[in-house]
Amino acid sequence: AQTIHQWPVAEIKAVGSPLSLGCTIKGKSSPNLYWYWQATGGTLQQLFYSITVGQVESVVQLNLSASRPKDDQFILSTEKLLLSHSGFYLCAWSRKIPNTEVFFGKGTRLTVV
Amino acid sequence: TQTVSQSDAHVTVFEGDSVELRCNYSYGGSIYLSWYIQHHGHGLQFLLKYYSGNPVVQGVNGFEAEFSKSDSSFHLRKASVHWSDSAVYFCAVSATSGSWQLIFGSGTQLTVMP
Repeated sequence: AQTIHQWPVAEIKAVGSPLSLGCTIKGKSSPNLYWYWQATGGTLQQLFYSITVGQVESVVQLNLSASRPKDDQFILSTEKLLLSHSGFYLCAWSRKIPNTEVFFGKGTRLTVV
Repeated sequence: TQTVSQSDAHVTVFEGDSVELRCNYSYGGSIYLSWYIQHHGHGLQFLLKYYSGNPVVQGVNGFEAEFSKSDSSFHLRKASVHWSDSAVYFCAVSATSGSWQLIFGSGTQLTVMP
């Protein structure tokens, strides 16, 4: 069975500090990987997706970057956090079939103070 | 441009009641529609999807949804809700032309009273 693990579970960071969030998928080779952001009580906004190692496509610009250093790993980062970065970050994966279900991790709660 | 609209931000029902959560979409081409559930503080879980064929699709835990091209809708229904169905429900759409982007509606908070 496939599992998706996100770390950390929660973070409280200062404005201007760097951030790195991670995600690992086990039990599935060559998945599509996604990062989503959810404002408190809000909808989900897709941030990035990756179809293969080393390739990441940006969907929206939020002063964040993403990388896929390994087939099963997806990293979200920024060098300088803004207050607007607060929210819930969800990593997800899907099979390489268009329009198939997406499987989400448990998320990371980020509070920028 | 694809858009998804969930007109009800909050729906409150009693246990055992039936419920319908509404979703309307706007897109000119062929699309793929799905519903996800999010319990408080957790990630999303897939409920069901529609791509083609029978417009009524069955999902997990007794949920079903009906696609209507004429109404541009994909409403979610359950005949008898349980308190554990309390959660936020998201409708999502993506283009069938190989897009990897899933666009979510604003969500509907379903509260089931005992």
